[in-house]
Amino acid sequence: SAVISQKPSRDICQRGTSLTIQCQVDSQVTMMFWYRQQPGQSLTLIATANQGSEATYESGFVIDKFPISRPNLTFSTLTVSNMSPEDSSIYLCSVAYGTGGEKLFFGSGTQLSVL
Amino acid sequence: QQPVQSPQAVILREGEDAVINCSSSKALYSVHWYRQKHGEAPVFLMILLKGGEQKGHDKISASFNEKKQQSSLYLTASQLSYSGTYFCGTVALSQGGSEKLVFGKGTKLTVNP
Repeated sequence: SAVISQKPSRDICQRGTSLTIQCQVDSQVTMMFWYRQQPGQSLTLIATANQGSEATYESGFVIDKFPISRPNLTFSTLTVSNMSPEDSSIYLCSVAYGTGGEKLFFGSGTQLSVL
Repeated sequence: QQPVQSPQAVILREGEDAVINCSSSKALYSVHWYRQKHGEAPVFLMILLKGGEQKGHDKISASFNEKKQQSSLYLTASQLSYSGTYFCGTVALSQGGSEKLVFGKGTKLTVNP
């Protein structure tokens, strides 16, 4: 299993500002994933972050809005840029473990509210 | 591409049983189940692989029928601690070509004393 530390746990931000979310894993992992969970909804993958390469974004998510850094094998950041109230969600980082990388472990999440 | 879960919500009394279903319109090789308690991150429960095997986790078990492209999660003699939202997930290809997990909309389970 993995221990994933994510911060901040919650924040209230003003429209038009940016927030950077940090994710630290207690072991080296190749891929890290960033998910968004809108209130009462399912989890949607934003992007996959590989160390040493550009993150790959899912349909509907763009790098200008959600820039991601992956400086090493244990750390990643997600920035939510130029925020609007529609960005109010829980953001979760995740890593995959298991023989086939099939089990996802999640950080505790960042609950973001944009006013 | 998103798997379909039913029912959307279930309310039980402690000790009762429940079944949560997950189906897909495309061929499945595996189905993943997670539970998310209120205010917490999702937690991995189990994976069902092609072959129709039934796996168990405490008094929670699941089956997978790849021909019918569906999986069912069985909660037996429910406990208060079973309350939460249950998500099934199926594997798809991400934009980068690697595998990603696509989650259903979830089934909210409430177990009352």
